[in-house]
Amino acid sequence: SSELTQDPAVSVALGQTVRITCQGDSLRSYYASWYQQKPGQAPVLVIYGKNNRPSGIPDRFSGSSSGNTASLTITGAQAEDEADYYCNSRDSSGNAWVFGGGTKLTVL
Amino acid sequence: QVQLQESGPGLVKPSETLSLTCAVSGYSISSGYYWGWIRQPPGKGLEWIGSIYHSGSTYYNPSLKSRVTISVDTSKNQFSLKLSSVTAADTAVYYCARWDMGVGLFDYWGQGTLVTVSS
Repeated sequence: SSELTQDPAVSVALGQTVRITCQGDSLRSYYASWYQQKPGQAPVLVIYGKNNRPSGIPDRFSGSSSGNTASLTITGAQAEDEADYYCNSRDSSGNAWVFGGGTKLTVL
Repeated sequence: QVQLQESGPGLVKPSETLSLTCAVSGYSISSGYYWGWIRQPPGKGLEWIGSIYHSGSTYYNPSLKSRVTISVDTSKNQFSLKLSSVTAADTAVYYCARWDMGVGLFDYWGQGTLVTVSS
């Protein structure tokens, strides 16, 4: 089992806002990064650090963190945002890295 | 543009050693960053395997550490993964990626290669 816990599935109506969460003790000390993965494709970095987006990632994606929970928010979800989302951060030892179990986002 | 490409056998027999190479183009490994391996069993989530710096410094997933060796060849601008004593549980798509350890992100990924462990 992963040291980072994500809800297996979340759904959102087209154009609405959705929050995907990632919980873990290590998140009290370290930021998470977030990855979007569509079927048959490699993951793509969407958020890192406090709330940073790589070039080319739409500004509807944002990140936040509070206590042991990191969150990825999509404001105004689009059909193309339907994908699996994974968080990644250090584990509780600080010397290894782990991914959350992933959240499957469905856009209705 | 940084590009990574995995290569290696797509089929490995149980108890043997899985060997993959990641060729990097558009960036010199010697210039910095860590370089890592991540895998994904069919229909399951991502698992970090380990990462290496151009100097040879490594970090490994504790659950795989006893079976994993990651090495780097700066002259060929590539790095490699060896996973020993494989079982069917090691069947997965294996990705290589560039890793910014300081910030904690994988910013460039290879397309991935499926390795099946079967006799």
